[in-house]
This record gives sequence, C-alpha cells and structure tokens, in this order.
Amino acid sequence: DQQVKQNSPSLSVQEGRISILNCDYTNSMFDYFLWYKKYPAEGPTFLISISSIKDKNEDGRFTVFLNKSAKHLSLHIVPSQPGDSAVYFCAASGNNFNKFYFGSGTKLNVKP
Amino acid sequence: GAGVSQSPSNKVTEKGKDVELRCDPISGHTALYWYRQSLGQGLEFLIYFQGNSAPDKSGLPSDRFSAERTGGSVSTLTIQRTQQEDSAVYLCASSSLAGLNTQYFGPGTRLTVL
Repeated sequence: DQQVKQNSPSLSVQEGRISILNCDYTNSMFDYFLWYKKYPAEGPTFLISISSIKDKNEDGRFTVFLNKSAKHLSLHIVPSQPGDSAVYFCAASGNNFNKFYFGSGTKLNVKP
Repeated sequence: GAGVSQSPSNKVTEKGKDVELRCDPISGHTALYWYRQSLGQGLEFLIYFQGNSAPDKSGLPSDRFSAERTGGSVSTLTIQRTQQEDSAVYLCASSSLAGLNTQYFGPGTRLTVL
C-alpha cells in the first residue's frame, strides 16, 4: 500500500518556464515532507523540506507548497534550467522520523 | 568530508547465493537507513538504525534479509538465498540526528540476481 504517490512519471518543460511536480499522500499522521533530486547512477540528494505547521517553504528557485486538507504537496521550480533535469522524489515521515515513505519519482526533463 | 559510500557498486549473483552489501556512513552520523529501489518503483524503506537503540526492522521484506551496524558506524545488509525479485538498487543513507531532516544518500549498490 503506497502511502506517498507521484502520479506523473515524467514531465517535460521548456527552459525558463515553471516546473510543477506533484505528490499526494494518504496518511494524515505525516508531519514532515521532503523533496529529493536524483541523477542517474547517484544517490538522491536533499532539495527542500516542509513541516506540517507550514504551508510554504522557499529556497531560491525552489518552493514547496503543502495542502494538508488535500494531503497534497507540490514542488515549484522557477525558472527551470536544463541542469534541473533529474528524477524528483517526494518523501514523508511521521514525527518519529524513523521511517520515510517515498513516492515513485517524477522524471523532469528541461529542454533548452 | 567524505560522503556516504557503498560497496560494491554492482553485484551480479546467482539465485540462491548469499550477498553482503556494505555502507560507510558519514563520520559522526548516528542514524542510518537502508532502502531499495526496484525498477520503476520508489524507494522502499528496509531498516533504520539510530545510535545504540534497537533497529527498526519493520521494512525488511522477509527473514532472508538482515542488517547489522557495528560500532555505530559501518553497516552490512545481508540477503540470504537470493531470489530474482531481490534485484534492485540498494541505497544507504545517514543523518546526523534522526528528526533533523537531511538524509545523505550513498550512490547505491545495483544487485542483479540471475
């Protein structure tokens, strides 16, 4: 039973435009949400996080939005750059942080 | 400093053989996680170590899987009597304090069971 879902396996965006990656979860006990970026043959690298007490967190070109009532979060990348092309995973955890649940990833392709 | 390292990077084995996968976390990191990613799937939690506490083994898929962490540092994931469905990339991550978000991942070990 997948508790974190990324329903779009891929996304293609033109350079300079906005990329929006979506993630849905089912467990209302999740308190902490993260986005990771993964290049081929490398491990995922942490990108940005948000706790359930917030609805938005911004870091440079990256903004994560959390809608708790809809159990939905999204990652916005503005402006998108070709170097952003990678697989993006969202993840969620309860307040004990001993277990993180990951989505299946969205492959982003930013076209020059 | 050095990041999380894993060895081997690739492992091909025959069905029924045992394999050992190694993870060297970032020095000083007390929390260590093992995940696996099967083809087209997300990361699946396997096991979590935090300091000297008993590990959370709730993600291990069967009793053929076991892991240990010696001296609070290096960890070994062992898969006994491997099956073809064990083929996946096995990822290790460490963090300085569980609960303070950032997990640093190793490059993974790609396991292929023939």
